[in-house]
Amino acid sequence: EAGVAQSPRYKIIEKRQSVAFWCNPISGHATLYWYQQILGQGPKLLIQFQNNGVVDDSQLPKDRFSAERLKGVDSTLKIQPAKLEDSAVYLCASSLTSEQFFGPGTRLTVL
Amino acid sequence: GQQVMQIPQYQHVQEGEDFTTYCNSSTTLSNIQWYKQRPGGHPVFLIQLVKSGEVKKQKRLTFQFGEAKKNSSLHITATQTTDVGTYFCSASGTYKYIFGTGTRLKVLA
Repeated sequence: EAGVAQSPRYKIIEKRQSVAFWCNPISGHATLYWYQQILGQGPKLLIQFQNNGVVDDSQLPKDRFSAERLKGVDSTLKIQPAKLEDSAVYLCASSLTSEQFFGPGTRLTVL
Repeated sequence: GQQVMQIPQYQHVQEGEDFTTYCNSSTTLSNIQWYKQRPGGHPVFLIQLVKSGEVKKQKRLTFQFGEAKKNSSLHITATQTTDVGTYFCSASGTYKYIFGTGTRLKVLA
C-alpha cells in the first residue's frame, strides 16, 4: 500500500514570497491533516479535513495560510506571503480511523 | 491555550537500560496516542489508549493511561540503539490532537 505522498520535499524562499505544498493521502482515507513542525517541537495541527470539508482550522493563521481539499482527495497548503517564522517542516497525514499516517514532509526555509 | 507536557525533554541511556517518558494534561482526555519520530523522519504511530487505567504492551514497550485520563506513560525495557528517536504523545480531548513537547531518547552503545 502506498503511503502519504508530499511534494516538494524541500523549498527555500525569501520572505514575502508565496509557496504551495501538495499532499496525496492514502487511498480511501477520508481524514486529512496538515501539521507544522518547528525544529525541536511537536507537530502543531493547522487544519483537519473530513473528505472535502474542514473539521478544524482553529490554529491556521488565516491571514496568510490557506488550504483546500478539492474532491476530497489531494490537498494543497499555501502560504502567502511567507514570514521568517514559517520556516518549519510541513507534515501531511491521513487516517481512516484514529491512527494517523504521516508523509515525509516538506522542509520550508524562509530567508 | 491547552498544552500537553512531556517529561523529560531529553534522556540519554546506556544500551540495555530502561527508559520512561511521561505525558501530562491539565484536562481529561478522550484518548491518547503515542508516536515515534526518528531523526530526520516523520512521526510513526505506535499505539492508542482509550480506557481509564488501560495498559498495553508491544514487545519491550509498555503504555499506560492514567486512571483520571489526564496522564500517560511509555516505558521501554532494555533499550536498544534502534529505539533512538523522539517520542511524542498526542492527546485528544476537548481540543483536537495536541501533540506533546516530545522526549528525545539517545541510546549509547
